[in-house]
Amino acid sequence: DTGVSQNPRHKITKRGQNVTFRCDPISEHNRLYWYRQTLGQGPEFLTYFQNEAQLEKSRLLSDRFSAERPKGSFSTLEIQRTEQGDSAMYLCASSSHEGAGGRSPLHFGNGTRLTVT
Amino acid sequence: AQKITQTQPGMFVQEKEAVTLDCTYDTSDQSYGLFWYKQPSSGEMIFLIYQGSYDEQNATEGRYSLNFQKARKSANLVISASQLGDSAMYFCAMRGGMDSSYKLIFGSGTRLLVRP
Repeated sequence: DTGVSQNPRHKITKRGQNVTFRCDPISEHNRLYWYRQTLGQGPEFLTYFQNEAQLEKSRLLSDRFSAERPKGSFSTLEIQRTEQGDSAMYLCASSSHEGAGGRSPLHFGNGTRLTVT
Repeated sequence: AQKITQTQPGMFVQEKEAVTLDCTYDTSDQSYGLFWYKQPSSGEMIFLIYQGSYDEQNATEGRYSLNFQKARKSANLVISASQLGDSAMYFCAMRGGMDSSYKLIFGSGTRLLVRP
């Protein structure tokens, strides 16, 4: 169990550019989540995958955001035409609920901090 | 819809003393779970403790315990014998029993500073 890995750790981009983040979940976890966290706030849910299927998207996930998990393993989150308001920490989490059901926590990565200038 | 409220933006505690971080929640689900996470300055969210709505006893994990008062819809985290390494942001979160996604809804957090 190597934990959830996110890359890059930091990304600085100019307004209007596209960015892509990657998340590698814990290998046996079939569920993967993306959250956004702004300064001084708790993480806000963006979207969730079960295996390769994207099953839920928050209304926070505007049309400029797209997430994929093509083979049910790693996931990418792309933001097109970035805006200054997109500056935040983007957290990825994974989980498996086999047996433990709702008691299983989400396991988070270290996040990708995005700064849009 | 679920909602988590953490009313203490910041807290101080003297090293070796106990501290209570408040969390209230709102849900219409009969079955739900409550979680506490720690977020140091490095950014990683570290799971601390879980309490199920039907658990008969308050959860404990080492120096962490959860003061669960179901009728008041509160799930306060108690950290005993505070250490300098406990300085961090602490988030309360909930998972609705009817939510098949198993996602967590987080509060706004409490920043804890442990004084030497």
